[in-house]
Amino acid sequence: QKEVEQNSGPLSVPEGAIASLNCTYSDRVSQSFFWYRQYSGKSPELIMSIYSNGDKEDGRFTAQLNKASQYVSLLIRDSQPSDSATYLCAVTSGYNKLIFGAGTRLAVHP
Amino acid sequence: KAGVTQTPRYLIKTRGQQVTLSCSPISGHRSVSWYQQTPGQGLQFLFEYFSETQRNKGNFPGRFSGRQFSNSRSEMNVSTLELGDSALYLCASTAIGDTEAFFGQGTRLTVV
Repeated sequence: QKEVEQNSGPLSVPEGAIASLNCTYSDRVSQSFFWYRQYSGKSPELIMSIYSNGDKEDGRFTAQLNKASQYVSLLIRDSQPSDSATYLCAVTSGYNKLIFGAGTRLAVHP
Repeated sequence: KAGVTQTPRYLIKTRGQQVTLSCSPISGHRSVSWYQQTPGQGLQFLFEYFSETQRNKGNFPGRFSGRQFSNSRSEMNVSTLELGDSALYLCASTAIGDTEAFFGQGTRLTVV
């Protein structure tokens, strides 16, 4: 079993819709959870961090964490074509060590 | 405020050679981590340095090494390059007391 699992996609949504990205992790002691966005040929860009159970909203993005179920999700509201990218889920393991999922490719079509 | 700077951006090396990559963290950040990204294995942790000390190491062979200088700049070295070392090498920096990691542009290494 992989430590961080994501559906590889592609997840295709129409412009203006809500995109829902999911991630599960295996290490129960993980304390910090992140979503990164990576455009093709570019480096990962941090878009959300979440540390406690519940929801955290930032603009069009909402991260959700459920530690009991070992589940993290990212909702993107009013999806735009510019949101088309690979979204990487990451969890901490030790000193500033991030374990990444394989990423979910999101395609937003006009 | 400048971001994480990695040099060089692109490198082509021959099998058996060695390579050194450089990373300058965000000003004030003292933790530097290195990652390898390949299409097959995704993003994998190499090692992390804080105040010139390696605190964490990933599951890579000893050919991969690194160091950090007193100004928090870091270098990683790969010796005896193999074709499978072709990858995007990413450096990330983290502020003291924080866990958010910010990535540089990466160094694209091609081994031929």
